[in-house]
Amino acid sequence: AQSVTQLGSHVSVSEGALVLLRCNYSSSVPPYLFWYVQYPNQGLQLLLKYTSAATLVKGINGFEAEFKKSETSFHLTKPSAHMSDAAEYFCAVSENSGNTPLVFGKGTRLSVIA
Amino acid sequence: DTAVSQTPKYLVTQMGNDKSIKCEQNLGHDTMYWYKQDSKKFLKIMFSYNNKELIINETVPNRFSPKSPDKAHLNLHINSLELGDSAVYFCASSRSGVAFFGQGTRLTVV
Repeated sequence: AQSVTQLGSHVSVSEGALVLLRCNYSSSVPPYLFWYVQYPNQGLQLLLKYTSAATLVKGINGFEAEFKKSETSFHLTKPSAHMSDAAEYFCAVSENSGNTPLVFGKGTRLSVIA
Repeated sequence: DTAVSQTPKYLVTQMGNDKSIKCEQNLGHDTMYWYKQDSKKFLKIMFSYNNKELIINETVPNRFSPKSPDKAHLNLHINSLELGDSAVYFCASSRSGVAFFGQGTRLTVV
């Protein structure tokens, strides 16, 4: 079975500061890993994905994540936070064998302070 | 030109009613899903379809019945609605493991 743990249900950063959202996963098979962002009253938008190619993955809006197998982690970072980054962020895992459903973490709400 | 579209976006209904949510994708994907997001924002898979066939049913009450008339559509019908069914329901489709989500349907049962 697969699972995802997101450390911190709420993270608050100052505008211009580093954003770090933590995600650890558990999977008995090589995983696919994803970060999605959800703005208020909207659907989920894919930020980036790891599908067993490069371990450092770059996504949209300046976000990136690094797959670390030894630490079973896939933390999301952005060097400089913008006010527009305030949203709910979800880490998700699936088996890399096809279209198995995503298993989501509980989400981290990112607040950006001016 | 929306990739995955759901209707309606908002649905308010009384307990005991029956309602449907429609989903359509124009991405040509073979696999479609329904997810439920509860009041704490937790997302959980409900159903998974591949080429119109049910693949996964995650212990969802049988009041929920998905129907896939073709690969591009996956509708969700809910009978005898209960207060606890209030949530946001997301449709998604995927290929090669990457899922694309609709905008969600906020269902409120009163």
